Amino acid sequence: DAGVTQSPTHLIKTRGQHVTLRCSPISGHKSVSWYQQVLGQGPQFIFQYYEKEERGRGNFPDRFSARQFPNYSSELNVNALLLGDSALYLCASSLGGSGANVLTFGAGSRLTVL
Amino acid sequence: DAKTTQPPSMDCTEGRAANLPCNHSTISGNEYVYWYRQIHSQGPQYIIHGLKNNETNEMASLIITEDRKSSTLILPHATLRDTAVYYCIVIHQSNTGKLIFGQGTTLQVKP
Repeated sequence: DAGVTQSPTHLIKTRGQHVTLRCSPISGHKSVSWYQQVLGQGPQFIFQYYEKEERGRGNFPDRFSARQFPNYSSELNVNALLLGDSALYLCASSLGGSGANVLTFGAGSRLTVL
Repeated sequence: DAKTTQPPSMDCTEGRAANLPCNHSTISGNEYVYWYRQIHSQGPQYIIHGLKNNETNEMASLIITEDRKSSTLILPHATLRDTAVYYCIVIHQSNTGKLIFGQGTTLQVKP
């Protein structure tokens, strides 16, 4: 079975632009979470979706938004990019319910903002 | 969720056991201890979790002290591929997948 797949793997944007990152969860997983990892730090929680509803939001500005589709895939959108948004963006999926905290992570999308 | 404290770095010799400590002195009765690791340039990987009993799986063993204020992750026969950052995370049973990662322990396995 395929793991969690993310696209694109690398991208370069300039300040003020918009970016959309995509994630396909493991088959059968209904929960998707997004994390931001700045170089040298641990991942920081951004959003969690379960059954297409937002179940959690981290301490990130409104420029960050996400959604989950009927097939459980997800998009993370970031508007008005800042230099500080440069990071590895990780998507993780889980079964949800009692298995909600056993996450399978994708390899990430590395965003560079110039 | 309770805060965890881990040493920033550790070394281990290939083939030997790696014992990674974690302090979680403020843990409550309905909080679990989870361990993840992150190998360079990859996403984090789930290793093991437990509540109060010791746990073992194909990757590692988790030893939780009787008072639950600390735990140790044991990699029984470390290999070079186990070089990674190891994160100890305490999670409430009602949590639905929001993980709070600290700085973790960078384990360097040497030949």
